[in-house]
Amino acid sequence: ETGVTQSPTHLIKTRGQQVTLRCSSQSGHNTVSWYQQALGQGPQFIFQYYREEENGRGNFPPRFSGLQFPNYSSELNVNALELDDSALYLCASSLAQGGYTFGSGTRLTVV
Amino acid sequence: QKEVEQNSGPLSVPEGAIASLNCTYSDRGSQSFFWYRQYSGKSPELIMSIYSNGDKEDGRFTAQLNKASQYVSLLIRDSQPSDSATYLCAVRNQAGTALIFGKGTTLSVSS
Repeated sequence: ETGVTQSPTHLIKTRGQQVTLRCSSQSGHNTVSWYQQALGQGPQFIFQYYREEENGRGNFPPRFSGLQFPNYSSELNVNALELDDSALYLCASSLAQGGYTFGSGTRLTVV
Repeated sequence: QKEVEQNSGPLSVPEGAIASLNCTYSDRGSQSFFWYRQYSGKSPELIMSIYSNGDKEDGRFTAQLNKASQYVSLLIRDSQPSDSATYLCAVRNQAGTALIFGKGTTLSVSS
């Protein structure tokens, strides 16, 4: 069984640019969530997708958007990047009410 | 925004001792609780889940849940230097659409 994979692992962007992060969920998992983890903080919930529909969203502005595809893989898009968007972005997949399995993350640096 | 609170630490224990990590949460409707371990520069790894009041043991780890007090704890017996990491408490919200994390407790086990 394959785990959760994320790409790219590291990324450097300029303020104002747009970025797309990708995630392949663990085999059989139909729910994907995205989290932002700033240095020294716990992961903050961005949004969750279930069967290609967003079914939960945290306190993030609309410039954070996402997609889930029929194979349950997902994208996180961030527009108009700000310096404070620099963080580790984590994708997690889950099935029903079980625990979430995290990918290795994408480290985004905005300069 | 529902909250999860943890002491940030650091919690320092000698090798072989019991480490006790605590967490409180505000959402009374929560039914699912998780402990994740995160090594520096890595993504969170699920180590325990608990859904019912009482204790749940898995090897050297014991999770304890008291829903009336809105309290979750993790005991690590026979602590090893390899247990040195940040431990994140996570609570699934009542809607089941998000994991809410605490800021994490840093554990240091000295040999």
